[in-house]
Amino acid sequence: NAGVTQTPKFQVLKTGQSMTLQCAQDMNHEYMSWYRQDPGMGLRLIHYSVGAGITDQGEVPNGYNVSRSTTEDFPLRLLSAAPSQTSVYFCASSYSYSETQYFGPGTRLLVL
Amino acid sequence: AQTVTQSQPEMSVQEAETVTLSCTYDTSESNYYLFWYKQPPSRQMILVIRQEAYKQQNATENRFSVNFQKAAKSFSLKISDSQLGDTAMYFCAFMISPGSNYQLIWGAGTKLIIKP
Repeated sequence: NAGVTQTPKFQVLKTGQSMTLQCAQDMNHEYMSWYRQDPGMGLRLIHYSVGAGITDQGEVPNGYNVSRSTTEDFPLRLLSAAPSQTSVYFCASSYSYSETQYFGPGTRLLVL
Repeated sequence: AQTVTQSQPEMSVQEAETVTLSCTYDTSESNYYLFWYKQPPSRQMILVIRQEAYKQQNATENRFSVNFQKAAKSFSLKISDSQLGDTAMYFCAFMISPGSNYQLIWGAGTKLIIKP
């Protein structure tokens, strides 16, 4: 099992550009989520999904879109990148809401 | 509002010593799950230990154990016989049981340095 994979590992964007951060898991987990991690702060939830076709907003959803067409994949789209979106992004998955979340290696995003 | 507070931004101890990281949280819920995650320099987020709030017995995992005080809303992590590989950021987090929006509430983290 590869676990949770994320691509790319690092990306530089210019303000206004769009891009998609990819996340995939091969553990047949229903729950998937996207977090951002900023210096000196804990992780903050952007969006989450409780199964294919079902997504919902987390704590900081503005500027991001998600979709979940398959159990395995949960991409995060930045519609028009802003410097405030410079952060490290983590994707996570779990079997159920209360079980351990398994994290991907993270994507470091720099918006200039 | 649900919050998690880790009052120690940074700690350092000698290898083989025991260290305790503190965590307090605030919630009006009675059913929830508590976690400690470790983030080494590689940035990978790794589960250290998990505790169900309805269980009185403290969770243990090899050299890692917790002191869960539900009434005080405290969930400290004890690392025994610390090793150089324990050097990492440690995050405390909790999740409310069904009825919430499936959100892990995270503390800001404690940077732990194990010195040789």
